[in-house]
Amino acid sequence: EAGVTQSPTHLIKTRGQQATLRCSPISGHTSVYWYQQALGLGLQFLLWYDEGEERNRGNFPPRFSGRQFPNYSSELNVNALELEDSALYLCASSRVHEQFFGPGTRLTVL
Amino acid sequence: AQSVAQPEDQVNVAEGNPLTVKCTYSVSGNPYLFWYVQYPNRGLQFLLKYITGDNLVKGSYGFEAEFNKSQTSFHLKKPSALVSDSALYFCAVFPYGQNFVFGPGTRLSVLP
Repeated sequence: EAGVTQSPTHLIKTRGQQATLRCSPISGHTSVYWYQQALGLGLQFLLWYDEGEERNRGNFPPRFSGRQFPNYSSELNVNALELEDSALYLCASSRVHEQFFGPGTRLTVL
Repeated sequence: AQSVAQPEDQVNVAEGNPLTVKCTYSVSGNPYLFWYVQYPNRGLQFLLKYITGDNLVKGSYGFEAEFNKSQTSFHLKKPSALVSDSALYFCAVFPYGQNFVFGPGTRLSVLP
């Protein structure tokens, strides 16, 4: 069974630009979660999508947004990038009560 | 509010000694409980979970965790630590029908 995949592995942007991160869940999983892990910090919950709908979002500004496609893959968009957005962004897909994590996308904002 | 605490930022233990990484939680109902491990620049890997039943749960790589309902704790343990166990460990709870809530993480260093 293929795991959760994320692309790109690394992304370098400058302040004010937009970043798009992608996630493909495990086959059969309908829920996708996004987390931000800044250096030295734990996981901060960003967004939860299930069956194509946004179910919940964490305490992040509206410039963090996303969507889930009919095949359950998901996209995270970050607009007007700021230096403090530099972090590892983790995607997880879920079946019932377990989460399976992808390897993450390292976003660096210069 | 739902929360998970890992009271130790860092745990140091000598190789071959037993290790404990602590976790306490404050959530409503009877949540599912998890431990994940993260190696440098990697995603989180599942170690073990408690859903119901025996309070001692066995997981991957020789790890186990003890659920204590009265103390709302779910401490991670291993009888004999390995240098390769050095990593960042996260406790998480899943209140049914809600989001996962992760603790802040505990960095485990196993010294040779």
